[in-house]
Amino acid sequence: KAGVTQTPRYLIKTRGQQVTLSCSPISGHRSVSWYQQTPGQGLQFLFEYFSETQRNKGNFPGRFSGRQFSNSRSEMNVSTLELGDSALYLCASSPRGLSTEAFFGQGTRLTVV
Amino acid sequence: AQSVTQLDSHVSVSEGTPVLLRCNYSSSYSPSLFWYVQHPNKGLQLLLKYTSAATLVKGINGFEAEFKKSETSFHLTKPSAHMSDAAEYFCVVSPGGGADGLTFGKGTHLIIQP
Repeated sequence: KAGVTQTPRYLIKTRGQQVTLSCSPISGHRSVSWYQQTPGQGLQFLFEYFSETQRNKGNFPGRFSGRQFSNSRSEMNVSTLELGDSALYLCASSPRGLSTEAFFGQGTRLTVV
Repeated sequence: AQSVTQLDSHVSVSEGTPVLLRCNYSSSYSPSLFWYVQHPNKGLQLLLKYTSAATLVKGINGFEAEFKKSETSFHLTKPSAHMSDAAEYFCVVSPGGGADGLTFGKGTHLIIQP
């Protein structure tokens, strides 16, 4: 069974630009959640999607948004990039939601210059 | 609201000696608790999970953890450390009431001395 796939693995963007990250969950998993990992703040929850609906949202500004498609693939978008958005962005999929175990992708390393 | 506190940012042990990584949590609901491991430049891998069944949970690679409700703790242990155990370990609490996402501890960096 294929694992969680995140693309691209690395990105370099300029301040003010926008970026879209993609996550393909494990087949059959309906929940996809996103996390930001930085040395200063650690791992922080961004949002969770379940069957194309945003079910939970973390404490991030509206520049961070996401969506989920009917095949459970998810995208995360960050608009008007700031230097502080440089981070490892991790996606996780779960069969039924966050009370069950989450399976993580290897992440997308975003660098904003 | 929920929170997780990993009591040690770094733990150093000698190969072959026991490992103890400490975690305390708070949650408004009956939580699910997890330990994940992250090797350099890799994603997170689930070590074990507690979901209100047995309080002593066995995971992969010889790790286990004990859920103690009275102490709100979920410490991770391993009887004998191996060099390959060197990594970052995260204690994680999941909502029981359907709100919030996974909440991660700050992580404990485990160093294995030869």
